[in-house]
Amino acid sequence: EAGVTQFPSHSVIEKGQTVTLRCDPISGHDNLYWYRRVMGKEIKFLLHFVKESKQDESGMPNNRFLAERTGGTYSTLKVQPAELEDSGVYFCASSLNQGAGEKLFFGSGTQLSVL
Amino acid sequence: RKEVEQDPGPFNVPEGATVAFNCTYSNSASQSFFWYRQDCRKEPKLLMSVYSSGNEDGRFTAQLNRASQYISLLIRDSKLSDSATYLCVVPRSGNTGKLIFGQGTTLQVKP
Repeated sequence: EAGVTQFPSHSVIEKGQTVTLRCDPISGHDNLYWYRRVMGKEIKFLLHFVKESKQDESGMPNNRFLAERTGGTYSTLKVQPAELEDSGVYFCASSLNQGAGEKLFFGSGTQLSVL
Repeated sequence: RKEVEQDPGPFNVPEGATVAFNCTYSNSASQSFFWYRQDCRKEPKLLMSVYSSGNEDGRFTAQLNRASQYISLLIRDSKLSDSATYLCVVPRSGNTGKLIFGQGTTLQVKP
């Protein structure tokens, strides 16, 4: 069974440019999450989709970040315009159900470097 | 105060040693807890779930102390392959998959 896949694995862009990250969850998983780890900090929640709906976007840093999940399958996370502090590793995760004890499956992440 | 706190280490131990990590959490209403393992430049992977007082899986034992609000992970007979960062994770209370991560504790097992 394919796991959570993310693309690209690495992205290097200049400040002010736009970058779009993609996540394909495990087939059949309605719940999709985006997390981010910036240098020296802990992994932090960005947002949670249930199918195509945003269940919780309380972790989105600002309006330069836009997440979509049209059709309830794959998701994209766009950063426009990118700033230096956006550099970090962006992880996507999916789960079959939602709940505090639910197991999340993580993708291998996209390493974003903003220069 | 951070919601989940861990000693970042690194913990450098010889093969065969027993090592323990602690993690404290601030939300007394938390009911479930996880230890995730993250290898360098890889994704976090679930190692153990901790729901009641604790549980054991082979060389790994996780314990929960609700009164003091901490979780521990004990690794016995350390292997070189145990070298990784161990993340203490506490789900946000309620019907949500939002996870609160600690900063992680780095373990390096030496030959």
